[in-house]
Order: sequence, then C-alpha cells, then structure tokens
Amino acid sequence: SAVISQKPSRDICQRGTSLTIQCQVDSQVTMMFWYRQQPGQSLTLIATANQGSEATYESGFVIDKFPISRPNLTFSTLTVSNMSPEDSSIYLCSVAQGRSAEAFFGQGTRLTVV
Amino acid sequence: GENVEQHPSTLSVQEGDSAVIKCTYSDSASNYFPWYKQELGKRPQLIIDIRSNVGEKKDQRIAVTLNKTAKHFSLHITETQPEDSAVYFCAPNSGNTPLVFGKGTRLSVIA
Repeated sequence: SAVISQKPSRDICQRGTSLTIQCQVDSQVTMMFWYRQQPGQSLTLIATANQGSEATYESGFVIDKFPISRPNLTFSTLTVSNMSPEDSSIYLCSVAQGRSAEAFFGQGTRLTVV
Repeated sequence: GENVEQHPSTLSVQEGDSAVIKCTYSDSASNYFPWYKQELGKRPQLIIDIRSNVGEKKDQRIAVTLNKTAKHFSLHITETQPEDSAVYFCAPNSGNTPLVFGKGTRLSVIA
C-alpha cells in the first residue's frame, strides 16, 4: 500500500492567481497521476507525472495551465495557473505500484476560485 | 483509448436488498478490472478487483463478475447496509494506460 499526503486540503483563491498542490508519498512509486473531480462528477485524468522527464498530458489539458513537477520518486506538484472560476474543483493525486495495480489517492484539494 | 460506460448512474435499494452495477469497456486488451468506492467528501478506495484470468471473485458481501467476451464486468453487493451508500466507479485497465474511470454510480441504501 501507499500513504499519500496531499496539501493544501482546501483553498480559496482569487482569479488570475496560481496555486501549487503538493503530494508526498511514503514510498518510492513509479507512477503518479493528477486527477480533477468536479462536484458530482467522475475523476478526469489531467496528466501522468514522470520522474526525470516532462509530464504526459491528456487531451484538453496543457502544460502552461497545469505545470507539473516530479523531482523524485516520492514527490510531485501540480500548479493551477492563471485561475478562473471554472477551475474550481477537487484535485487529487494518485499513485500506482506499476500498471494493472491498485491506485491510492491523496485526500484531495478542494479549490474555489472567486 | 478506453471507452467506459457504467450503469445505472443512480441506484436506490432498501437495506438488505442486493445492488448490481455494470461496467462496459471497449479495449479488448483490458486485463485488470477494479471497483472503487468514494464516500462523500472522501478519496476513492479500492474495494474489489479481478484480473482477466478469473471469472468471478467474492469478498464477503461484495463480488465482481467478468465477461471478457462481452466486455463487461459487474459489481454485486448483497445484504446492503446504509454504510454502502457511496459513489462507485469502475476503472478497467490494460496496463498500458493510466486508470480511466467510469462516470460513477450513486448508490443509496434506504434504511
């Protein structure tokens, strides 16, 4: 299993500003993912955070808006840049010990942009 | 990429009754079939999973059945209890891509 510490747990931000979300895992993991979950909706994958290389973004998500860092095998950050009210959502990081394996999630960051 | 459909989107059952949620997928290479439960305000957690070499798996009141030919798998909850009320997500996976989640099924167990 993996224990993930994600912070902040929530924040209220002004439009036009940026917020960086951090995820710390208690063990080295190959794969880390960032998801967005809007109220009452499913989880939508934003990107896969690769250690030592650029993140891989899903359709509809771009690096300029959601820059990601993965400096080592236990840590990653997601920045939500130039925020607008449409970015209000819950953001979750997730890890998996290899493919076709159980995914573990951070507790989520509830972001409100005003 | 994987197309995942989950039915029904909402389900209400009386306490003690059974609940069944179905997930269909498109990628014939999928070989891992998990179900996640997300309680209100909490993170998703794996409750049961099955791999493609097995047709059924059971864990107490929860079971998952797989039909690879028809490309669907189902979550079965028997003797439902109020604490089973949550949103359930399927996430079929081929091992070559990150998890793609179904749209979720909101289960309400009425006492």
